[in-house]
Parts: sequence; structure tokens; C-alpha cells
Amino acid sequence: NAGVTQTPKFQVLKTGQSMTLQCAQDMNHEYMSWYRQDPGMGLRLIHYSVGAGITDQGEVPNGYNVSRSTTEDFPLRLLSAAPSQTSVYFCASSYSAGSNYGYTFGSGTRLTVV
Amino acid sequence: KQEVTQIPAALSVPEGENLVLNCSFTDSAIYNLQWFRQDPGKGLTSLLLIQSSQREQTSGRLNASLDKSSGRSTLYIAASQPGDSATYLCAASNDYKLSFGAGTTVTVRA
Repeated sequence: NAGVTQTPKFQVLKTGQSMTLQCAQDMNHEYMSWYRQDPGMGLRLIHYSVGAGITDQGEVPNGYNVSRSTTEDFPLRLLSAAPSQTSVYFCASSYSAGSNYGYTFGSGTRLTVV
Repeated sequence: KQEVTQIPAALSVPEGENLVLNCSFTDSAIYNLQWFRQDPGKGLTSLLLIQSSQREQTSGRLNASLDKSSGRSTLYIAASQPGDSATYLCAASNDYKLSFGAGTTVTVRA
């Protein structure tokens, strides 16, 4: 089925470990982004990309790194995990940024940092 | 900076009653406004997308209106059912991001 696929669905990390959250879409969307959802804080934008080779920071980029080598994939890297990064992470894509097109979200990755 | 507010934060109604969920936003220069549903522990499911040039969108029992000049959108759910119990999020699209409200948690009592 066409859509946004996130892996893994659940992950537990120890403080200081690094890991990569994977996001892939098969809708040929140019725009992809990462959000985190925390109780009482809502969803906040971490990083986004308007096309292959182009990325930019969102509201809460510290501690995260991204790259976009293909249209389909947009991985999110945690460089040195901290308990404050315990959250639910969502990847979203859209046909084009700054347009009338809506966003499609993945099912999320629940990350716990101990 | 776009600020999105949803009122009420929670709503409990008996089955069959119509639901009215409110969303307000501070920056009217939006591309579109999107309503999502989120079940506990799950992802976001898109319900309706209203483009900036539109006044409303309808899908089945759902109807959403948009008034850009006043910075408001309303989601109406007709004849509510227990399966409508979920958190409903509105999101305004500006520039390269979505700005979300905190959501309205709906409980429909059988």
C-alpha cells in the first residue's frame, strides 16, 4: 500500500547511544519532515527536506541529524541519545512544500531513552 | 509564528449527538488546514483537507469549514458513534511546516 513507512515501531536506547530512525515513502513526494510528539507539547517540527539533497532545521533540531540522498528516504539520526529525547517520532510527507497538498503521516516510532 | 488553539480540550457526548470541534489560528496566510484523527498509541489519520481558497469540505458524516479572515475552522461530526472516540487534531500549513493544535479528545458514550 502506498504511504509512509517508519521503522522501528518501538526502541529503547541507553543514554549516549546513537541510532537511526528510518522513514520511506513511495508516493514520489518531494517534501518530507520529522515531528516529535510529547504530552502537553503537541507535535513539533524537528527537520524537513524539500527535495533530495536539501534539508533544513525546524523548531527543535538540537541532537538530531538528517540527510536526504533519495526522494524516497529521509532518515533521522540521534547522535547521542538523552532522556529528553524520549518521545514519539512521526515522519510526514507531502507532494510539495508550501502548496495546497496535504500531509501523509507514518505510524510513528516510540523511543525511550533510559 | 503560527499559533493554533483547539477548544474544548475534551468532550464527552452520548451516542447520536452531533459534535462541534473548534480550531483557531493566528496567521491567516495559510496554504491549507488539515484535520487529523489520532487513536491512543497510534499515528495520525487525515480526515479532511481544506485548501485556502475553499470554505468547506465534506466526507460522509464529517464536515469542516474554514474562515481564513477570522482565523477559524470548525469540524462537525454528525450522529456521533462510539467508534468516533479519539483525539482530533487540526493543523495549519504555512511555509514549510504544519502547526498543530493540542487536540480535542472526544468520548462518545454508548
